[in-house]
This record gives sequence, C-alpha cells and structure tokens, in this order.
Amino acid sequence: AQSVTQLDSQVPVFEEAPVELRCNYSSSVSVYLFWYVQYPNQGLQLLLKYLSGSTLVKGINGFEAEFNKSQTSFHLRKPSVHISDTAEYFCAVSLNFGNEKLTFGTGTRLTIIP
Amino acid sequence: DTGVSQNPRHKITKRGQNVTFRCDPISEHNRLYWYRQTLGQGPEFLTYFQNEAQLEKSRLLSDRFSAERPKGSFSTLEIQRTEQGDSAMYLCASSSRAGLAGEHTGELFFGEGSRLTVL
Repeated sequence: AQSVTQLDSQVPVFEEAPVELRCNYSSSVSVYLFWYVQYPNQGLQLLLKYLSGSTLVKGINGFEAEFNKSQTSFHLRKPSVHISDTAEYFCAVSLNFGNEKLTFGTGTRLTIIP
Repeated sequence: DTGVSQNPRHKITKRGQNVTFRCDPISEHNRLYWYRQTLGQGPEFLTYFQNEAQLEKSRLLSDRFSAERPKGSFSTLEIQRTEQGDSAMYLCASSSRAGLAGEHTGELFFGEGSRLTVL
C-alpha cells in the first residue's frame, strides 16, 4: 500500500516570499505523484504531476515540484507567493498502472500574510 | 465541458435518515470515483466505477453505503441510517482512460463536493 506524509499542517508565509511545502511518500512499487490545490469553497484542482522523465515538474500558477526517489520526496515550491495562493495543498500518489485511485496526504494550509 | 457537477451541495439531516448524493461527471469520462473528506484530513477513497461497473470498494464503504452508476453516466451515493460519524464532504471525480495497455493520464477532475451534516 502507498502512503503520503505532509508534516506541515499549516504554513504562514509573507507575500512575495518563497515557499516550500513538504511531501514524503512510501510505496513498494513505482508511483505517480501529484499536488492538488483546494481553494476555499472550491473543488480540488490539479496543480502538477510527475509521471516519468524529468524530475523537476512545473505546474500552474508558477508552482514547481521536484521528485527525489532516494529521499522519497516530492516537495512543492514557489519562488514568490501571492495572496491568491492562500489555499489547502494536498500531495497524492497513485500506482502507475490500472486506475487513477489517489492516496492523499492530510494537506497543508498555506496562509499568505500581506 | 461543464466540469463535474455534484448535488446537493449541502445536506443537513437527522441521525437515522437516508441521504442520496448525485454526481454528473464530465461527459466523455468513463471512470468515476467517490471520496470522503473530513475536517483536517485529506480525501479518502470510497469507490470506483469504470462505465457502469463498480470495480473497487474501500473498507470505508460500510454496508450502509451504496453507490451506483446505472447507465455509465451519472452516479449516486446513498447512505442509509446516517450516523454523526458520516458527517463529511463527499467528493466525486472523473477521468478518461488514456491507453490501450491500461495506463492512465494521472489526472482526476473533481467536483465541488456535497457536504453532509448529520445532527
């Protein structure tokens, strides 16, 4: 079975400062990795995904993440955050075959301080 | 493409009553998922359909829960004899199968969810 750990439940960051949201996963087989974002009162939206190839993946809204197999990590970064980035961010994994069933972490609430 | 639609968005019910949620996926998507999300937790997988066939169910889906997708389009999730522990956001997501070998695109498209409050 797969599992995802997001150690930071809340991350406050000043506007225009950089941010890193941490994600570690556990799996005995190869997986795909995802970051989803949930804005207030909205559904989950895909931010970016790693399926294969380059370990640095770029997503929407200026976010990027790096897959590190040796450290089983998939941390999310943005060099300069905006008020509009205030949201809940979820890291997730799925098997790389079969269906897209996702196993999610518990989420990190990103709060941008003006 | 109007996205994944879920109804009702909010439901308040008394313990012991039955409730039903509906999900309309993106029209060309043949895969449909139900998840449950409680406060402070990430979404948890409940069940999965490919077309009208229910192919996987989580242990979280007790016998009070039943999901259907009768014509391979919309889906319903019914909870019988609701309990306070059933209070949660119920999320629906859909996807399309990408490859002949079973590979997938890796993306689920989520609806805005149906929030259940059991008093």
